[in-house]
Amino acid sequence: QQQVKQSPQSLIVQKGGISIINCAYENTAFDYFPWYQQFPGKGPALLIAIRPDVSEKKEGRFTISFNKSAKQFSLHIMDSQPGDSATYFCAASMSGGAQKLVFGQGTRLTINP
Amino acid sequence: DTEVTQTPKHLVMGMTNKKSLKCEQHMGHRAMYWYKQKAKKPPELMFVYSYEKLSINESVPSRFSPECPNSSLLNLHLHALQPEDSALYLCASSQVRGTYEQYFGPGTRLTVT
Repeated sequence: QQQVKQSPQSLIVQKGGISIINCAYENTAFDYFPWYQQFPGKGPALLIAIRPDVSEKKEGRFTISFNKSAKQFSLHIMDSQPGDSATYFCAASMSGGAQKLVFGQGTRLTINP
Repeated sequence: DTEVTQTPKHLVMGMTNKKSLKCEQHMGHRAMYWYKQKAKKPPELMFVYSYEKLSINESVPSRFSPECPNSSLLNLHLHALQPEDSALYLCASSQVRGTYEQYFGPGTRLTVT
């Protein structure tokens, strides 16, 4: 019940296209859902995050869509660029104190020029 | 500023050595975390400190010993490690109340020979 399932494992998108990564969770106590971007040899960088009281959050080319009833959330990258090529992790946690992030398994995204 | 710094960037140690990893943040965060990340896997939580007290130990072997000397610093003392402990060790920090964004450092790439 603590798991976050992420798909696909890898994704290839043409430059200018839309990249979509999906995550699903079981634990309804989760109330914070961040996405991290990680380049090889670097630490994960917080990209965007959402709480269950909103269905969508947009920051620049990055959008999180959240479906509370389906217990699913997704990351959309519009106008994907080669510089977006990285590994993306979704995560979930519960509020209250120092929280444990439960990560998905990651998606390796490649944007072809 | 959302910077978490880690030293050293790379560390090679033998199985009988004792070494320490260091982490520092100046964001006023009162929660600090150690994660271990193997290649092509998500970060795996090891320890959480909240208000300089150890609040979560994810059943980590005693050859890893964390220390939080003050609210800005986090150390991980290493002793008698095994080759399978080779990984990227990540430090992160966050607020304890309010916003829950966890910010990661660049990591220390550890190789145990």
